[in-house]
Amino acid sequence: EVQLVDSGGGLVEPGGSLRLSCAASGFTFSNAWMGWVRQAPGKGLEWVGRVKREIDGATTDYITPVKGRFTVSRDDSKNTLYLQMSSLKSEDTAVYFCVKVGSYAEFDFWGQGTVVTVSS
Amino acid sequence: QSALTQPASVSGSPGQSITLSCTGTSTDIGAHNYVSWYQQHPGKAPKVIIYDVSNRPSGVSNRFSGSKSGNTASLTISGLQADDEADYYCSSYTSTTTYIFGSGTKVTV
Repeated sequence: EVQLVDSGGGLVEPGGSLRLSCAASGFTFSNAWMGWVRQAPGKGLEWVGRVKREIDGATTDYITPVKGRFTVSRDDSKNTLYLQMSSLKSEDTAVYFCVKVGSYAEFDFWGQGTVVTVSS
Repeated sequence: QSALTQPASVSGSPGQSITLSCTGTSTDIGAHNYVSWYQQHPGKAPKVIIYDVSNRPSGVSNRFSGSKSGNTASLTISGLQADDEADYYCSSYTSTTTYIFGSGTKVTV
């Protein structure tokens, strides 16, 4: 059974940093493209970023508002995905979901989400 | 890039069929068939119900069907049931190797 367990959320002041983690199991992590999707309170889903497999160069892509501030990375030896967030802004407040990317660019499995609140 | 355009809300009676639209551009929905749909119940993580425009993952009811014409994708829910009441989001891969979601549609039964 595929499982994605998100962790690392919390309250952080504007300008601060936070690192989210996603522990994966039930599939061959190293073979999967992985990513993060967020959802601000009462709002819709927003794709944040994605990392390809190591054999694909572990290439990353991001939504424009987080470029230069967020970094998606992976540790295949630990079956873990990360989202390093810095220079956080109030508009980054959201539930962050770890996602596995399927063969047709669909997000076929989701973590339970971890809450990030940026406030002074 | 702005979100794909979805109607804010759609309603129907039990047993009826409803169709949700998702309008994009030639650089996302119109560029390929990597269109997917997600169902999200309150307080829960989203769940994929359609991928590759019209394919259903194992375990998803055949009451859900998808299609696409030009820059617009559609999701049809037939035989509407109470548990179908949820938020629905479309998503598309883009020509710049990013992903974009729709604005979301609240379905009321």
